[in-house]
Amino acid sequence: NAGVTQTPKFQVLKTGQSMTLQCAQDMNHNSMYWYRQDPGMGLRLIYYSASEGTTDKGEVPNGYNVSRLNKREFSLRLESAAPSQTSVYFCASRQGFDTDTQYFGPGTRLTVL
Amino acid sequence: GDSVTQMEGPVTLSEEAFLTINCTYTATGYPSLFWYVQYPGEGLQLLLKATKADDKGSNKGFEATYRKETTSFHLEKGSVQVSDSAVYFCALPLDTGRRALTFGSGTRLQVQP
Repeated sequence: NAGVTQTPKFQVLKTGQSMTLQCAQDMNHNSMYWYRQDPGMGLRLIYYSASEGTTDKGEVPNGYNVSRLNKREFSLRLESAAPSQTSVYFCASRQGFDTDTQYFGPGTRLTVL
Repeated sequence: GDSVTQMEGPVTLSEEAFLTINCTYTATGYPSLFWYVQYPGEGLQLLLKATKADDKGSNKGFEATYRKETTSFHLEKGSVQVSDSAVYFCALPLDTGRRALTFGSGTRLQVQP
């Protein structure tokens, strides 16, 4: 049981380049989330998906797009990377229903030069 | 809106010392409260939670009691170990719809042998 997996673990981009961060969960959870973690700021929600085919913006969605093609996978895309997007990105999932507990992946550390 | 505030770090303790990390919250109603831990280079792991007032969450020797009178959820451990060195985050659900979590800024704990 792998839980929540993320790829890649590390990535360096140049300003203007694009990339997709991948996330998958094998716990049959309904809800999935993308957060970014910046020093001294805790985690902030980028996007949320309640179920396959649905997505919703979080606190800091600008510059990002997401895709929830199936129940397992939730990807985050940076179309034109900017230095302000240098951060650690975490994917999380939640079963839904009556539980608020979220399970997190190991993170992707992204540097935009 | 709902939010959490936790004490600034870093906190440096000697092994076997007593630990308290303060967390206070602002919320409408009585949401679940969480403590997550992030070990170096890893993602966030659920440490403990409490789902209603006066509940005590506990795990791995850590405890936290949900106190509505003082709107607090302080994390305590009677005797810390070097392996407890990590960043600790207090969190609660951001809203009733998405149930994304809002986090405190994190408290880094360093335990010295």
